[in-house]
Amino acid sequence: GQNIDQPTEMTATEGAIVQINCTYQTSGFNGLFWYQQHAGEAPTFLSYNVLDGLEEKGRFSSFLSRSKGYSYLLLKELQMKDSASYLCAVRDSNYQLIWGAGTKLIIKP
Amino acid sequence: IAGITQAPTSQILAAGRRMTLRCTQDMRHNAMYWYRQDLGLGLRLIHYSNTAGTTGKGEVPDGYSVSRANTDDFPLTLASAVPSQTSVYFCASSVRLAGGDEQFFGPGTRLTVL
Repeated sequence: GQNIDQPTEMTATEGAIVQINCTYQTSGFNGLFWYQQHAGEAPTFLSYNVLDGLEEKGRFSSFLSRSKGYSYLLLKELQMKDSASYLCAVRDSNYQLIWGAGTKLIIKP
Repeated sequence: IAGITQAPTSQILAAGRRMTLRCTQDMRHNAMYWYRQDLGLGLRLIHYSNTAGTTGKGEVPDGYSVSRANTDDFPLTLASAVPSQTSVYFCASSVRLAGGDEQFFGPGTRLTVL
């Protein structure tokens, strides 16, 4: 079966750096997405990786290793507004997105 | 304002009733999707549409139907609601089904079936 694994919850301090990991086992791979979802709101796009390596976008970076079935989202200079759930999703061989359950990130002052 | 709208925002429905959740986008995106989101689970795809006039089944299609008569609208119908269909429903769209196109999500519909 297809599976996306992420930690359920993480806690970090304002101003610090946090890394959210995602491992996947899917039927085929056509890209990996990270989305942010604040409580009670819709998911919003953060990043897309299809080739191995690091993609940097401001305070957020996303890394992919296809051989290891592994990705991480790196958040730097954490702000209170970064408190949210972070969703990892993989596009499979049928071009459908398979979603992880999300990682709830709690930022403490 | 460009984006996706969903209606209603929330609904309480008696089991056995028929219900249609509405979704409209004005971005001229080809692909549209319906997901349900339940606590502790990832978003699960119910149905999708690659382009107007075509639809496909996702991971959890049973009990749901969709239509795509035009580019903008993608309604989701529950023919006879059951309590297990209590969930938050998100409609989304993207330029294409494939590639790195991000999916844009509507605000969601919170549905409770009693």
